[in-house]
Amino acid sequence: QKEVEQDPGPLSVPEGAIVSLNCTYSNSAFQYFMWYRQYSRKGPELLMYTYSSGNKEDGRFTAQVDKSSKYISLFIRDSQPSDSATYLCAMSVNTGNQFYFGTGTSLTVIP
Amino acid sequence: GAVVSQHPSWVICKSGTSVKIECRSLDFQATTMFWYRQFPKQSLMLMATSNEGSKATYEQGVEKDKFLINHASLTLSTLTVTSAHPEDSSFYICSVAPPGQGAINEQFFGPGTRLTVL
Repeated sequence: QKEVEQDPGPLSVPEGAIVSLNCTYSNSAFQYFMWYRQYSRKGPELLMYTYSSGNKEDGRFTAQVDKSSKYISLFIRDSQPSDSATYLCAMSVNTGNQFYFGTGTSLTVIP
Repeated sequence: GAVVSQHPSWVICKSGTSVKIECRSLDFQATTMFWYRQFPKQSLMLMATSNEGSKATYEQGVEKDKFLINHASLTLSTLTVTSAHPEDSSFYICSVAPPGQGAINEQFFGPGTRLTVL
């Protein structure tokens, strides 16, 4: 079983739609949860990070962590064509520890 | 976020040759850098953790004699793919963890190097 599972998609939505991206994990020791955005042939860039359970909002992006279910989500409101990218979830046990990445979900927002 | 550079961005080489990839932290000194490999439509897989002043720590299944890592200074780590073969063709990405993060856990990624071995 992989440490982190993520549906690779692809996911295609019309502009303005709400997008829901999800990851599940098996290691209950994970405490740090990150979402990265990666454009084609580029390195990932950090979008959101959350420590432990709860919600975090930043503009159109909301990250949710449910440690009891070992499930994390990223919501994108009012999606834009510029949001088209691959979204990777990542987790770690502690600061400075190894990151475990999901496979990434490819998102296309159609104008 | 911090700026991390990689060089070259794209390299094509013949089978059997060696290729060196550089990763530079431009904003701060980094005692720890990470090297990842990403195959098409797959996730980033950690290859090794590069430690300044000491040997790199390799993940299980990664051949340390094939993927040589040298953390030459606090701002530079190099990955050398020795005797490259077509199956080594991949996207290699480095990342840097800022020192003293406290409660923040973040890695800044370089733009990646696409290696194609013919």
